[in-house]
Amino acid sequence: NAGVTQTPKFQVLKTGQSMTLQCAQDMNHNSMYWYRQDPGMGLRLIYYSASEGTTDKGEVPNGYNVSRLNKREFSLRLESAAPSQTSVYFCASSSKGLAGVYNEQFFGPGTRLTVL
Amino acid sequence: GNSVTQMEGPVTLSEEAFLTINCTYTATGYPSLFWYVQYPGEGLQLLLKATKADDKGSNKGFEATYRKETTSFHLEKGSVQVSDSAVYFCALTTQGGSEKLVFGKGTKLTVNP
Repeated sequence: NAGVTQTPKFQVLKTGQSMTLQCAQDMNHNSMYWYRQDPGMGLRLIYYSASEGTTDKGEVPNGYNVSRLNKREFSLRLESAAPSQTSVYFCASSSKGLAGVYNEQFFGPGTRLTVL
Repeated sequence: GNSVTQMEGPVTLSEEAFLTINCTYTATGYPSLFWYVQYPGEGLQLLLKATKADDKGSNKGFEATYRKETTSFHLEKGSVQVSDSAVYFCALTTQGGSEKLVFGKGTKLTVNP
């Protein structure tokens, strides 16, 4: 049981390049999330997926796209990277508990992205 | 809207000192409250949670009580260890509504031997 896995761990891009961050979970969770973490800003939600086949914007979606490929996998794509997207990216997943209460989110180890 | 405010860091303590990290929230509905911890180079992991007023969450010697009257969820530990050095995040989610977590900005704790 690996939990939430992310690839790659580190990435350096040049401005304008594209890339996809991969995330997978093996806990049979319905919901998955992408966050970015910047110094002094805490975690900010980029996109989330409440179930397979659905995605919704979070607080900072501009410059990103996502794909919920299946129940296990949720990818984040940067089409044209910018220096402002230099950050640490975390994927998370959670299951829905009783009476609509959402359970804790489980986080991956993160991807450290630098855009030059 | 929903928001979380936690005390600014960094916080530096000596081993065996008492720790308090303040957290207050603004929320519609009835939120669940969480403390997450992030050790250096790792992702976040749940430390403790409370889902209704007056609940006390506890784990690894840390405690926090859900205070609806003061909209607070302060984190405490009676005697910190060097291994507690990490960044601590307060967060909330509202029951029956959005499943999104709203995080505070984090408080970095350093414990010196």
